[in-house]
Amino acid sequence: GESVGLHLPTLSVQEGDNSIINCAYSNSASDYFIWYKQESGKGPQFIIDIRSNMDKRQGQRVTVLLNKTVKHLSLQIAATQPGDSAVYFCAEVGSGGSYIPTFGRGTSLIVHP
Amino acid sequence: EPEVTQTPSHQVTQMGQEVILRCVPISNHLYFYWYRQILGQKVEFLVSFYNNEISEKSEIFDDQFSVERPDGSNFTLKIRSTKLEDSAMYFCASSVEAGPFGYTFGSGTRLTVV
Repeated sequence: GESVGLHLPTLSVQEGDNSIINCAYSNSASDYFIWYKQESGKGPQFIIDIRSNMDKRQGQRVTVLLNKTVKHLSLQIAATQPGDSAVYFCAEVGSGGSYIPTFGRGTSLIVHP
Repeated sequence: EPEVTQTPSHQVTQMGQEVILRCVPISNHLYFYWYRQILGQKVEFLVSFYNNEISEKSEIFDDQFSVERPDGSNFTLKIRSTKLEDSAMYFCASSVEAGPFGYTFGSGTRLTVV
């Protein structure tokens, strides 16, 4: 099972740098993976998803990579901006017949101007 | 842009008291959800609701919890007898279709049980 704790993993970057946020998932039967962004005081917001039969998917300034061999998912943000500062969650979907997203622990991204 | 509205933004309650958290989903959405997030931890699914009944619930959603759509616009989460460990941020979400996409989350209600 996944360990939980009071402190989120944190990634600090400079404005303009590329950011890579990582996520390890547990269930190889998941059909989809979704990245959410949660800004302070707000609910999670959908960023991008990837189906389990894909390795890579690109959006606007974001790319998600899926490595099913090691059950690893990453979110790459190009030219990170201060407005990207938030907590990022990966979620897996479709294991056990449920299509409810199951969230991972979250990573706090801090972008310094 | 349409929003999911949650009230209140912060609720403080005594242990053992009942609380009702309120949500107004987006008007044309048919599927409704409650999630919670204990401080610094991951977002956890509680319950989904469609066609006036619970469609799915997690182990967290025990007999202390109930949901209701009392009218055409509100969706509520009731906790009958709050415990200290119920302190968390509670998020409501809604979607047009079943499935994992198209969720719109509200800004949450911070529940503090003292």
